[in-house]
Amino acid sequence: EAGVTQFPSHSVIEKGQTVTLRCDPISGHDNLYWYRRVMGKEIKFLLHFVKESKQDESGMPNNRFLAERTGGTYSTLKVQPAELEDSGVYFCASSRTTDRGPNNEQFFGPGTRLTVL
Amino acid sequence: EDQVTQSPEALRLQEGESSSLNCSYTVSGLRGLFWYRQDPGKGPEFLFTLYSAGEEKEKERLKATLTKKESFLHITAPKPEDSATYLCAVQPSGGYQKVTFGTGTKLQVIP
Repeated sequence: EAGVTQFPSHSVIEKGQTVTLRCDPISGHDNLYWYRRVMGKEIKFLLHFVKESKQDESGMPNNRFLAERTGGTYSTLKVQPAELEDSGVYFCASSRTTDRGPNNEQFFGPGTRLTVL
Repeated sequence: EDQVTQSPEALRLQEGESSSLNCSYTVSGLRGLFWYRQDPGKGPEFLFTLYSAGEEKEKERLKATLTKKESFLHITAPKPEDSATYLCAVQPSGGYQKVTFGTGTKLQVIP
């Protein structure tokens, strides 16, 4: 079973530019999550998709961040315009849905390291 | 707001020297407490889910336990390949899937 993949692995951009991160979840996983880890801090929840619908986006920092999940498959996270404080590692995770709701076992991708200069 | 505090921040052990990592948490009703392992440059790897106080789970040299306020990850006779950062996270009941992570314990096992 292929794992969660993320692209790119690294991105270096200048303040004010736009960056789009991509996540391909494990096939058959309806639940897709985005997280971010800023240097020295804990991993923080950004949002949760169930198929193509946003279930919870309470962790999104501001309206410069836009997440989409086309057709309930892969997801993109766009930052526009990027600011210095957006630097960090962005993780994507996916999980199955069971009869009791989303499976607690979340499989994480390797992350995208974003540096905003 | 849910909170997770892990201690120590870093731990250095000799191979074979058993120890425990601590995770203290505050959550408005616990749906689940998770332990993950993270290697440098990789995403967190799921280890365990604990649901209620008194529950224990084991995997190889790792054993996780849960009380109403904290969880412990016991490492018995560790090997160098157990070196990693161990993350604890909680998920509240009654809400969505918003998981709160701790900052982790960086474990180094020396041969």
